[in-house]
Amino acid sequence: DVKVTQSSRYLVKRTGEKVFLECVQDMDHENMFWYRQDPGLGLRLIYFSYDVKMKEKGDIPEGYSVSREKKERFSLILESASTNQTSMYLCASTRQFRGTEAFFGQGTRLTVV
Amino acid sequence: GQSLEQPSEVTAVEGAIVQINCTYQTSGFYGLSWYQQHDGGAPTFLSYNALDGLEETGRFSSFLSRSDSYGYLLLQELQMKDSASYFCAVSRSPNTDKLIFGTGTRLQVFP
Repeated sequence: DVKVTQSSRYLVKRTGEKVFLECVQDMDHENMFWYRQDPGLGLRLIYFSYDVKMKEKGDIPEGYSVSREKKERFSLILESASTNQTSMYLCASTRQFRGTEAFFGQGTRLTVV
Repeated sequence: GQSLEQPSEVTAVEGAIVQINCTYQTSGFYGLSWYQQHDGGAPTFLSYNALDGLEETGRFSSFLSRSDSYGYLLLQELQMKDSASYFCAVSRSPNTDKLIFGTGTRLQVFP
């Protein structure tokens, strides 16, 4: 059974904290993504990575950074958390050149207080 | 900019047919896919169209017109369990490394 696993379902952090969201996939996929999901706004792409140590900005990268040191792991970093980063964060992965079947993790509900 | 437009909400009764439309405007287009997301759950893949026309997968079908920048998801023989949010997504390259989602359509199925 293919799986994308996010390290936490729920997180509460304080404003200004550095926050790490971890995502691991066991499908040997090349591409990995971080999205945030807010009511009425759908899924917005923050960053994606198409290979180890490679990354590209998505549509809303401000305030975020990412790290991909190993193929199976893609981390999202909030350098200094702010209340407007309170959201649901979803990690996904796809295989290159194989259509658009993305596999998602269960999401991390982050609250910044 | 990039935009994928969907209706925000659709309602229907069990056994009916419903169509969810998606119009897109993106820099680059390779294919259109559809995802289902139940409340509290992860999005799951439903279908994918790279060429114009209709793709059928059981009760669900998806249609694409590249010339009109338009697609739709057709759900037949609706069941209560189909109540969920549905997202269209554009892949902007064959590498699927640029996957952009629409705002989602919440489908409510009533008995």
